[in-house]
Amino acid sequence: DAGVTQSPTHLIKTRGQQVTLRCSPKSGHDTVSWYQQALGQGPQFIFQYYEEEERQRGNFPDRFSGHQFPNYSSELNVNALLLGDSALYLCASSLAGTSPQPQHFGDGTRLSIL
Amino acid sequence: GENVEQHPSTLSVQEGDSAVIKCTYSDSASNYFPWYKQELGKRPQLIIDIRSNVGEKKDQRIAVTLNKTAKHFSLHITETQPEDSAVYFCAASKGSASKIIFGSGTRLSIRP
Repeated sequence: DAGVTQSPTHLIKTRGQQVTLRCSPKSGHDTVSWYQQALGQGPQFIFQYYEEEERQRGNFPDRFSGHQFPNYSSELNVNALLLGDSALYLCASSLAGTSPQPQHFGDGTRLSIL
Repeated sequence: GENVEQHPSTLSVQEGDSAVIKCTYSDSASNYFPWYKQELGKRPQLIIDIRSNVGEKKDQRIAVTLNKTAKHFSLHITETQPEDSAVYFCAASKGSASKIIFGSGTRLSIRP
């Protein structure tokens, strides 16, 4: 049973560029959430996708956008990269329900902006 | 806004002793409280969680307690072992949308 997988594992970009990160949820999960984790800090919620729609969004600018595909996989896009976007980007998947469900994380993509 | 505060930021205990990490949350509507362990360079791993209709939950050497009135919850690790060394995050969530608000983390070191 495959867990949450993310690609790529590492990425180096320069300021102003655009990046796309990818996530495949755990088998049986239908909800994908994205988090940004700066060095030495806890993960910060970016947004969540369910049924191919953004269901909830954290305090991140419009430069951060996403998409969910019919197979539940998801992409995170960041435009006009800034130095401050350097971080570990984590994807978490869960199963939608009437009560909060455990979220399981992938290994993340480490994004470095030069 | 929603906030989770976590203490201490670092904790060093002798192997075999107990470790306690404490968190408080601001949103009284929060009803789900997971704890994650993150080893260096690895993913956050869910180690235990508790819902607001339960005051305590135990899984082998790990236990969590929840005080809804005080908006306070804690993680207790007994008989600590070297492999318990990691960063631990408390978190809070509400409703079915399951957005998680994380604490700032506690770096736990186990001294041999």
